[in-house]
Amino acid sequence: KNQVEQSPQSLIILEGKNCTLQCNYTVSPFSNLRWYKQDTGRGPVSLTIMTFSENTKSNGRYTATLDADTKQSSLHITASQLSDSASYICVVTDRGSTLGRLYFGRGTQLTVWP
Amino acid sequence: EADIYQTPRYLVIGTGKKITLECSQTMGHDKMYWYQQDPGMELHLIHYSYGVNSTEKGDLSSESTVSRIRTEHFPLTLESARPSHTSQYLCASSSRGTSGGAPDTQYFGPGTRLTVL
Repeated sequence: KNQVEQSPQSLIILEGKNCTLQCNYTVSPFSNLRWYKQDTGRGPVSLTIMTFSENTKSNGRYTATLDADTKQSSLHITASQLSDSASYICVVTDRGSTLGRLYFGRGTQLTVWP
Repeated sequence: EADIYQTPRYLVIGTGKKITLECSQTMGHDKMYWYQQDPGMELHLIHYSYGVNSTEKGDLSSESTVSRIRTEHFPLTLESARPSHTSQYLCASSSRGTSGGAPDTQYFGPGTRLTVL
């Protein structure tokens, strides 16, 4: 069964600190993995996307890594800001269907305190 | 910021009412999607479309229906709303075009939060 598991479920950190969010998946055959940021009451916004051959991708203070062998990804946030408070969703696409079906994790709810 | 819009943003209605959630995009994307999301839970695909006059049901069974008469417009309709339909509904679109964006990157609208009393 294709699944995407994220940990931790929620995380509280102080402003300026770093944090790392984890994503494990069983989706096969694998096409790509994205990290989305979803602010409360808003739609998700794409942060990074990685294909099978990529093992790291950065977008400002966000750095995603991918280990396709162990089917794990992480999202590292550097020097957190209050505006980083949001849900971070890991999304894996399979290439076994015409649609390129997306599998969503439940997200990690990050809260940054001043 | 993606050019995809949803209205209304919030809707509170009584049981049995017919409602239509609007979604439109100005990016010329062929593919459009509807997702349902409950608090703290993952997004579930309920409908998708490859293009005009093409609609398919997604992974999660839904009593809603959709139509795709125009490329830019993908409305979702509930003929008779029930409290079990209370949820957040997210519309998205994507394209494999060369104008930018990674393959199949989905751009999401702001969502409609529906409450059925």
